[in-house]
Amino acid sequence: SQKIEQNSEALNIQEGKTATLTCNYTNYSPAYLQWYRQDPGRGPVFLLLIRENEKEKRKERLKVTFDTTLKQSLFHITASQPADSATYLCALPWRYGNNRLAFGKGNQVVVIP
Amino acid sequence: GAVVSQHPSWVICKSGTSVKIECRSLDFQATTMFWYRQFPKQSLMLMATSNEGSKATYEQGVEKDKFLINHASLTLSTLTVTSAHPEDSSFYICSARETSGRAYNEQFFGPGTRLTVL
Repeated sequence: SQKIEQNSEALNIQEGKTATLTCNYTNYSPAYLQWYRQDPGRGPVFLLLIRENEKEKRKERLKVTFDTTLKQSLFHITASQPADSATYLCALPWRYGNNRLAFGKGNQVVVIP
Repeated sequence: GAVVSQHPSWVICKSGTSVKIECRSLDFQATTMFWYRQFPKQSLMLMATSNEGSKATYEQGVEKDKFLINHASLTLSTLTVTSAHPEDSSFYICSARETSGRAYNEQFFGPGTRLTVL
């Protein structure tokens, strides 16, 4: 089965700087990859989807890259704000479909004012 | 945007009792809903796929007789935890996939239900 790895250590970053998170996956080549935000005690909220033929995707201060050779996606938050503090989850479709998603453990971001 | 609600948001019950959790898509139809469980500091683990009008598909290791799923309409799926035990205490989250077919499987998540079994 596919394996999704995200850094377990929280990322502490100064307000205004760029936060960069990494998602690595193994065992197969997904057609797309998604990023979600999750706040404590809440369900995930969809942020961005990037397809296998796209190198980069942007949405406001968010940027996602997708390197299918490295089997890696990078998630950037530029000009970070304290309100960006949350856990960010990487998700991939299951290898054998049926619209299921597999999630990484998530990477916590703490933006320090 | 698409909204998914869950009820209740939290529940405390005694060991041995059953608890029902509802998941509703408020402004769209969802032929498929998903139920996840999340333990602290862990990823979302898919429990089952709920299909409107048919039996749910359970993931390996999930007891279908313990976690009963009913998807009675295009906007409602329920998860019943039967004979709950303390080890069932967790955060249960549902998601829905819009029937009209947004490309590439964007799922809309509910706010989650915190279950505590005493």
